[in-house]
Amino acid sequence: AQTVTQSQPEMSVQEAETVTLSCTYDTSESDYYLFWYKQPPSRQMILVIRQEAYKQQNATENRFSVNFQKAAKSFSLKISDSQLGDAAMYFCAYRRPPPNNNDMRFGAGTRLTVKP
Amino acid sequence: GAGVSQSPRYKVAKRGQDVALRCDPISGHVSLFWYQQALGQGPEFLTYFQNEAQLDKSGLPSDRFFAERPEGSVSTLKIQRTQQEDSAVYLCASSRKTGSNEKLFFGSGTQLSVL
Repeated sequence: AQTVTQSQPEMSVQEAETVTLSCTYDTSESDYYLFWYKQPPSRQMILVIRQEAYKQQNATENRFSVNFQKAAKSFSLKISDSQLGDAAMYFCAYRRPPPNNNDMRFGAGTRLTVKP
Repeated sequence: GAGVSQSPRYKVAKRGQDVALRCDPISGHVSLFWYQQALGQGPEFLTYFQNEAQLDKSGLPSDRFFAERPEGSVSTLKIQRTQQEDSAVYLCASSRKTGSNEKLFFGSGTQLSVL
């Protein structure tokens, strides 16, 4: 079974600085999809960034980028120029390719605090 | 609609009561998912619908949990004879298509407290 591990329950960063959130996963699949979701206190999960395993190039979305190390099964999220609005829970998630792809698996989350 | 809407936002139930949680996905979205998020944990998959067909219910923890999406739009998650361990946030998500790379749009969830 696929599992997703986030080893940092809490992280803190100074406003305008850079922070990296860690995620590792376990799978025997060669093709899959990885995601980072943000969950603010409103509880609504918001997609931050996604990565296809077959793509070697790391995904980037504005201030958010990933370091995808397929051999190490590592998928870390880097947030540059941190803003107060980045404060939230961040969840790493894994999803298999079709057809057995209904259950996206989430890690336990990392709570990010941004200090002004 | 503009986003995924869930109601009620909060629900308090006495142990043994039945509850019904509603999800209004984004109009036209084919896929609909229900997740259970316990306090301090990540969401865990409960069930999946493609249009009105419930294709996967492998995550439902017991036969007290039942979900439906009769017309392929609104979905209801029903929990019978609630237990304290059912206390959690129940999240609904929808996506436009069925692919693994599809972006999931989540609602704000229903926080269920069973006393």
